[in-house]
Amino acid sequence: QQQVKQSPQSLIVQKGGISIINCAYENTAFDYFPWYQQFPGKGPALLIAIRPDVSEKKEGRFTISFNKSAKQFSLHIMDSQPGDSATYFCAAESSASKIIFGSGTRLSIRP
Amino acid sequence: DAGVIQSPRHEVTEMGQEVTLRCKPISGHDYLFWYRQTMMRGLELLIYFNNNVPIDDSGMPEDRFSAKMPNASFSTLKIQPSEPRDSAVYFCASSPLSDRGTYGYTFGSGTRLTVV
Repeated sequence: QQQVKQSPQSLIVQKGGISIINCAYENTAFDYFPWYQQFPGKGPALLIAIRPDVSEKKEGRFTISFNKSAKQFSLHIMDSQPGDSATYFCAAESSASKIIFGSGTRLSIRP
Repeated sequence: DAGVIQSPRHEVTEMGQEVTLRCKPISGHDYLFWYRQTMMRGLELLIYFNNNVPIDDSGMPEDRFSAKMPNASFSTLKIQPSEPRDSAVYFCASSPLSDRGTYGYTFGSGTRLTVV
């Protein structure tokens, strides 16, 4: 019940295309859903986050879509660029529990 | 702020030796976390502290692992004796208490441990 399931494991997208990464959770107590971006040799860094009282949050080319009834959320990267090539982790957290990370998606943007 | 500082960046040691990883969290952050990252298991939470007190160490794989936080600006993760299966990247992260949900976790750059 504490798991966050992330897919796909890896993703290749052409430059300028849309990258989509999906996550699903079980625990309805989760009330904060961040995405982290990790470049090789670096630690994960907070990219964007959403709370379940909204269905979408957009920051530049990055958008989180949230479906509370389905207990799913996704990250969309519009106009994907080679600099977006990284590993992306979704996560879920509540005030009563520590953060739970998904298994990660390795994204490669082809020039 | 210099962020979360970890040392060393790389550590190569022989099986059976003691290894100590170090972390300096961001000043003012009340939570400190130790994670291990491998290809097979992803990001695993090992232990976390709140105001220097260990809160949950259920992720510590076995008694060979221990962690301390003697003060608000320093923490160590020790492995004794080390084994090849401990080879991984170990991350330290910190987070503020006041608004933990909004600010998220700040990770250090990690320590890549290789046990031969």
